[in-house]
Amino acid sequence: DAKTTQPPSMDCAEGRAANLPCNHSTISGNEYVYWYRQIHSQGPQYIIHGLKNNETNEMASLIITEDRKSSTLILPHATLRDTAVYYCIVRVLNYGGSQGNLIFGKGTKLSVKP
Amino acid sequence: DTEVTQTPKHLVMGMTNKKSLKCEQHMGHRAMYWYKQKAKKPPELMFVYSYEKLSINESVPSRFSPECPNSSLLNLHLHALQPEDSALYLCASSQVVQKNEKLFFGSGTQLSVL
Repeated sequence: DAKTTQPPSMDCAEGRAANLPCNHSTISGNEYVYWYRQIHSQGPQYIIHGLKNNETNEMASLIITEDRKSSTLILPHATLRDTAVYYCIVRVLNYGGSQGNLIFGKGTKLSVKP
Repeated sequence: DTEVTQTPKHLVMGMTNKKSLKCEQHMGHRAMYWYKQKAKKPPELMFVYSYEKLSINESVPSRFSPECPNSSLLNLHLHALQPEDSALYLCASSQVVQKNEKLFFGSGTQLSVL
């Protein structure tokens, strides 16, 4: 079972920041937070991941609360092409360094509007 | 080349047919995955291959038969499917035993079983 809770849908105006929340209150110390998105009729696409520090890359920023029970994905300047389903996933880091399997929850459908 | 290629993109088959889905990657990844995605649902993990050996079978019915003939190819053989098996079948690949590895997904094969 997915270990995350996300709102089913959100709207965002084009050019504004999109802030997508995720609750993972049962996360354990060896679990990472990953974000993927799926644009209609395409395969999921990796966005970003983190353990406890905030992370930023060319696509987005990930803010993880100090207790690690929730996180927020930020798309700083949303465009129409960012309309997609966004999945927040917790993924265990196994002994030996391998990652647990990617198990998707229901995700948030983000609609970016002009 | 950061692409996972799936063929065919669309497939229609009868319940008595035998068909195969193909997946190919040339990123040197040694882990490959099959996911199944029903309409408006998140992807569900079916199989995981690690170094060309089946490591995970998520209780998938035997009418789905995976095969990994070499490190670049992954097949899914289909036989005697049911209409409820109609779905988008996604292939993915990743590095193995590497911290924080990302999954790269193909665009999927849209399967319709009549």
